[in-house]
Amino acid sequence: KQEVTQIPAALSVPEGENLVLNCSFTDSAIYNLQWFRQDPGKGLTSLLLIQSSQREQTSGRLNASLDKSSGRSTLYIAASQPGDSATYLCAVEDYNFNKFYFGSGTKLNVKP
Amino acid sequence: KAGVTQTPRYLIKTRGQQVTLSCSPISGHRSVSWYQQTPGQGLQFLFEYFSETQRNKGNFPGRFSGRQFSNSRSEMNVSTLELGDSALYLCASSLSPQDTQYFGPGTRLTVL
Repeated sequence: KQEVTQIPAALSVPEGENLVLNCSFTDSAIYNLQWFRQDPGKGLTSLLLIQSSQREQTSGRLNASLDKSSGRSTLYIAASQPGDSATYLCAVEDYNFNKFYFGSGTKLNVKP
Repeated sequence: KAGVTQTPRYLIKTRGQQVTLSCSPISGHRSVSWYQQTPGQGLQFLFEYFSETQRNKGNFPGRFSGRQFSNSRSEMNVSTLELGDSALYLCASSLSPQDTQYFGPGTRLTVL
């Protein structure tokens, strides 16, 4: 069974810092990997989707990479802002069973 | 373009009752997935529908069921509610199963 792990569980940084969030998964047979953010009491907002054949995706200050063979993905946030404070989740779509597996998330706090 | 909408946003039920939640996907999206989010278990996949057919189902008891209509709107039903069913239920839509998912704001269900 696919297991998705996110480290660290929580992160607090001063505004302006660049930071990296990590996601690892146990089975490399995936269709895609997606990063989301979730604000307190709200649903999920999709940030970046990386297909299994891709190595990275970029959107604004965000860059996500995927190393399928090692079962790892990173989300890089440049020049962090207080508005980036949220919980960040990664999810993989399992190739074998077409099911979605989520990590437990990294709670990010960017201090002004 | 309107996003994914879920109704109702909040719901309070008592044990043993049943509940129906509704999800309207983004116009043109034919794939709808449902997730349950709880503090203890995190985000868990319930089921996915595409073109009125259930493609995948997560590891939930038969009390959890769903369906999709010809206009791609989806409903999920939970019968014989238990206290542990209290959660945020999220719906996500995408053009097709392997495309980026867009999430609704969720329905907060409280079972007393």
